[in-house]
Amino acid sequence: DIQMTQSPSTLSASVGDRVTITCRASQSISSWLAWYQQKPGKAPKLLIYEASSLESGVPSRFSGSGSGTEFTLTISSLQPDDFVTYYCQQYSSYPWTFGQGTKVEIK
Amino acid sequence: EVQLVESGGGLVQPGRSLRLSCSASGFTFGDHGMSWVRQAPGKGLEWVGFIRSKPYGGTAEYAASVKGGFTISRDDSKSIAYLQINSLKTEDTAVYYCTRGRDFFHTGSYSHWGQGTLVTVSS
Repeated sequence: DIQMTQSPSTLSASVGDRVTITCRASQSISSWLAWYQQKPGKAPKLLIYEASSLESGVPSRFSGSGSGTEFTLTISSLQPDDFVTYYCQQYSSYPWTFGQGTKVEIK
Repeated sequence: EVQLVESGGGLVQPGRSLRLSCSASGFTFGDHGMSWVRQAPGKGLEWVGFIRSKPYGGTAEYAASVKGGFTISRDDSKSIAYLQINSLKTEDTAVYYCTRGRDFFHTGSYSHWGQGTLVTVSS
């Protein structure tokens, strides 16, 4: 199975900060990577697919990059609504797998 | 508008079985693969499995942690996907989400999610 490792597990930041979350795959997944945002008590929301494609309706402050085994999700200017949890997920080979999540907290 | 509605969750004793349903609307169900993802209380997301559409064989893939105990099936005539869970364990306690990929090329990137159904396994 492909293991997905996110770092950091928790990130403390302030409104307006630029933040980056990293996701590493245990083997190459090309660009078959998605990023999700999850608010407490809600289903996750797709932000990025195919590593760098912004899902329709998602604010442009979110961006994704990377290929192979290393990927990043960047939020260019944190907004109050962004202090929640983020997950990466590979869909290159079965079983598809999620990272363990990164919680973005208010500093 | 795409809608996915899960049902069938509840409190179940260890060792019993349960079948979850995902009723879909707003799209041609038979054209799409469908997935299940679960989330234990206070934990992260765990991919459970995926069933292909009939044109692609209608076969299913599973996470290693559920293989042999979980079965995903579909009834295209009713636009319903199912998750059969046998021999439930306490560690199967989770919210179970039904999901659909954003398009035919990105079946694994989930743009559509149900509201989830909670399964609690306890004696």
